[in-house]
Amino acid sequence: AQRVTQPEKLLSVFKGAPVELKCNYSYSGSPELFWYVQYSRQRLQLLLRHISRESIKGFTADLNKGETSFHLKKPFAQEEDSAMYYCALLHGSGNTGKLIFGQGTTLQVKP
Amino acid sequence: DADVTQTPRNRITKTGKRIMLECSQTKGHDRMYWYRQDPGLGLRLIYYSFDVKDINKGEISDGYSVSRQAQAKFSLSLESAIPNQTALYFCATSRDSINEQFFGPGTRLTVL
Repeated sequence: AQRVTQPEKLLSVFKGAPVELKCNYSYSGSPELFWYVQYSRQRLQLLLRHISRESIKGFTADLNKGETSFHLKKPFAQEEDSAMYYCALLHGSGNTGKLIFGQGTTLQVKP
Repeated sequence: DADVTQTPRNRITKTGKRIMLECSQTKGHDRMYWYRQDPGLGLRLIYYSFDVKDINKGEISDGYSVSRQAQAKFSLSLESAIPNQTALYFCATSRDSINEQFFGPGTRLTVL
């Protein structure tokens, strides 16, 4: 079954420390993966997608098919990175897909 | 600015009552979605619609129904609300499957 797992409910780091938010997936096809973020009092919004291979706000995520992972990383955390982060997998083929979200990880960056 | 709006933003109701949550969008997207968010469970898809004539059940559709009145409007109904439907509900839209979903601000529903 298709599934997205984020094993950490809460990740707490100090400002300037490296951050890695874990995401593992289970999918039989070629996965399309996303990270969404929800800052306090803001809407859930797309942070990045693996097909774009981009870095947004210093965050990157590499798809590792061998480990079925799509971990989100940032070398130096900032206080403004504190938010809820969701990993999501596009389930379905062609143009009929829908997103399956993980359970979410709250990132807390302490001063 | 093109937007996704939800009404009401907060609602407290009693067990057994019928509730409708509304979603409107000015993005011109064909696809619309309803999710619920629960602590520790993330976002789960309730219903989704690829266009006005196409409505599909998501992973947790029991106890819910939807209506796609127009391209811009997608309503979620709880025919007889129960306490475990207390949650934060989000509407979202997208141009197609692979592209970004745009979320509304959410409706906090409490069923007593």
